[in-house]
Amino acid sequence: DAGVIQSPRHEVTEMGQEVTLRCKPISGHDYLFWYRQTMMRGLELLIYFNNNVPIDDSGMPEDRFSAKMPNASFSTLKIQPSEPRDSAVYFCASSPLTGEPEKLFFGSGTQLSVL
Amino acid sequence: AQSVTQLGSHVSVSEGALVLLRCNYSSSVPPYLFWYVQYPNQGLQLLLKYTSAATLVKGINGFEAEFKKSETSFHLTKPSAHMSDAAEYFCAVTGGGGSQGNLIFGKGTKLSVKP
Repeated sequence: DAGVIQSPRHEVTEMGQEVTLRCKPISGHDYLFWYRQTMMRGLELLIYFNNNVPIDDSGMPEDRFSAKMPNASFSTLKIQPSEPRDSAVYFCASSPLTGEPEKLFFGSGTQLSVL
Repeated sequence: AQSVTQLGSHVSVSEGALVLLRCNYSSSVPPYLFWYVQYPNQGLQLLLKYTSAATLVKGINGFEAEFKKSETSFHLTKPSAHMSDAAEYFCAVTGGGGSQGNLIFGKGTKLSVKP
């Protein structure tokens, strides 16, 4: 299996622009998570899905952020409009079953820079 | 609420020296605890986990961690550092709520290994 695949690896955009981050989870995994990593706040859970349904989005910073999972093999995290403080590394992760934390697999992340 | 504190954002050791990365947790329920490693430009990888079985947990690459309830600690150690151990290490605790993805991460400790 290729693992969790994220695209793009790097994104540089200007303030006010829309940004879309993409994730393909490992086939057969029921759970998909979006994390954000910054120097100040460390690694934060933004939202997670179970069987394509959003379960907990309490970590989403504000209405500018939205996430979707239209099918089991694809998810997007969208920021509109983007702001410089959104600059961070965004990780997607997937896992097959709840209760098995050791089976959480991370993608390589998207480095977002908002100028 | 669960939380973890990693003491020291940067640790530097010489090759062959003992590695000790500190993690203290706070949890109102018996915790599951984890150490993850992040190499440059990569996602997090599970190093080891504690899930209420043996208090001394052995992980990959010669790392181990000991769960000490009395000290609410889960420090990561390795007897002899290798250059390839240079990375960032994250301690994490399950946040509850029925999903292992709701991991609460520490802010990370960057390990440097000097030749």
